[in-house]
Amino acid sequence: DIQMTQSPSSLSASVGDRVTITCRASQSISSYLNWYQQKPGKAPKLLIYAASSLQSGVPSRFSGSGSGTDFTLTISSLQPEDFATYYCQQSYSTLGFTFGPGTKVDIK
Amino acid sequence: EVQLVESGGGLVQPGGSLRLSCAASGFTFSSYWMHWVRQAPGKGLVWVSRINSDGSSTSYADSVKGRFTISRDNAKNTLYLQMNSLRAEDTAVYYCAREDAVGPKADYYYMDVWGKGTTVTVSS
Repeated sequence: DIQMTQSPSSLSASVGDRVTITCRASQSISSYLNWYQQKPGKAPKLLIYAASSLQSGVPSRFSGSGSGTDFTLTISSLQPEDFATYYCQQSYSTLGFTFGPGTKVDIK
Repeated sequence: EVQLVESGGGLVQPGGSLRLSCAASGFTFSSYWMHWVRQAPGKGLVWVSRINSDGSSTSYADSVKGRFTISRDNAKNTLYLQMNSLRAEDTAVYYCAREDAVGPKADYYYMDVWGKGTTVTVSS
């Protein structure tokens, strides 16, 4: 099974800050990596697919990069509506679409 | 409007059964693979199961294999999750999600549409 880890598990940031979240896979997954945003009590929302492709309607301040085992989600200028939990997910192994444990972004 | 609406959650005793439904609208349901994902209270997202567009191929997380069955009725635009032998650790919000894919081989999969979830509580 492919295991996913994320760091940090939580962070505090201010509006306007540049925020970077890292996701690591236990084996190479090429670019089969997605990012989701989830706000409390709400369903997850797709942000980035295939490591770096921005989902339609998602603000351009969100970007993804990486390949192989190491990936990054960057928010270039944090906005009030971006305070949420972010999950990475691998889709390399279709026997199990493993999610990372999540990174909670809250207000400093 | 593209929409997924889950139903069927509730309180069930350990060892009991429950069937979840997910009604799809606003897109051609029969063309898409579908998933169930769950989230225990205060915890992260966990993938549960996947089914192909015509229902002939399924996969499951090890934690539910042999207890849960995913199925679909394309005539009714509905996805199902039959859950048997329920345990306390199955307590969660259950989301259904649509899978889409891109790439030369259309194998970069992702979940682009999600329902709002239905809550399952397993407790005596």
